[in-house]
Amino acid sequence: EPEVTQTPSHQVTQMGQEVILRCVPISNHLYFYWYRQILGQKVEFLVSFYNNEISEKSEIFDDQFSVERPDGSNFTLKIRSTKLEDSAMYFCASRFGQGRYNEQYFGPGTRLTVT
Amino acid sequence: AQTVTQSQPEMSVQEAETVTLSCTYDTSESDYYLFWYKQPPSRQMILVIRQEAYKQQNATENRFSVNFQKAAKSFSLKISDSQLGDAAMYFCAYRSAITGNQFYFGTGTSLTVIP
Repeated sequence: EPEVTQTPSHQVTQMGQEVILRCVPISNHLYFYWYRQILGQKVEFLVSFYNNEISEKSEIFDDQFSVERPDGSNFTLKIRSTKLEDSAMYFCASRFGQGRYNEQYFGPGTRLTVT
Repeated sequence: AQTVTQSQPEMSVQEAETVTLSCTYDTSESDYYLFWYKQPPSRQMILVIRQEAYKQQNATENRFSVNFQKAAKSFSLKISDSQLGDAAMYFCAYRSAITGNQFYFGTGTSLTVIP
């Protein structure tokens, strides 16, 4: 069965550094998402992406975040200057369409640790 | 804004027994979906079961069933004949059928299955 994959599984970075989290959505999916989960807290929506542009973003998704689909397969989340509070699990998800029965499929997550 | 609350951070169940995980939510919408996702350690979130708000009948998937109480805004998951492989973090989630773009998650319940 097709799966969403994410790399790396764990990323350690120093405060102030740029980090890129990578996702490979399911191949025929058109809608892409990033969520994050700070340890012990809820999974929170960050951004959705369709047709090469952001369709919706949350308050968390400020100017230090950006997303890109650089080629036909990858979907990336870039954090420009990481802060300690960016430490979290980041989940990518993809979805075929917007219809009632098109669900989001989640990747296994990337654990980001900012030191 | 929609909120999802899981009041049980941890639960345990004896193998072969039944356990119920609780979830409540708050919304002003009438058309929405509710989900239970399972996340085994270091693995991706898997959809366990889904309920459409306009359907009165409770969803079932093999050993998994829900008790959907729309008026009370309650959505509990019952796992029957628990197996060791059921051990995981379980997330309750909400998605609007109207806007439909993002999920709202609870904080999760960690389920331990005791042999």
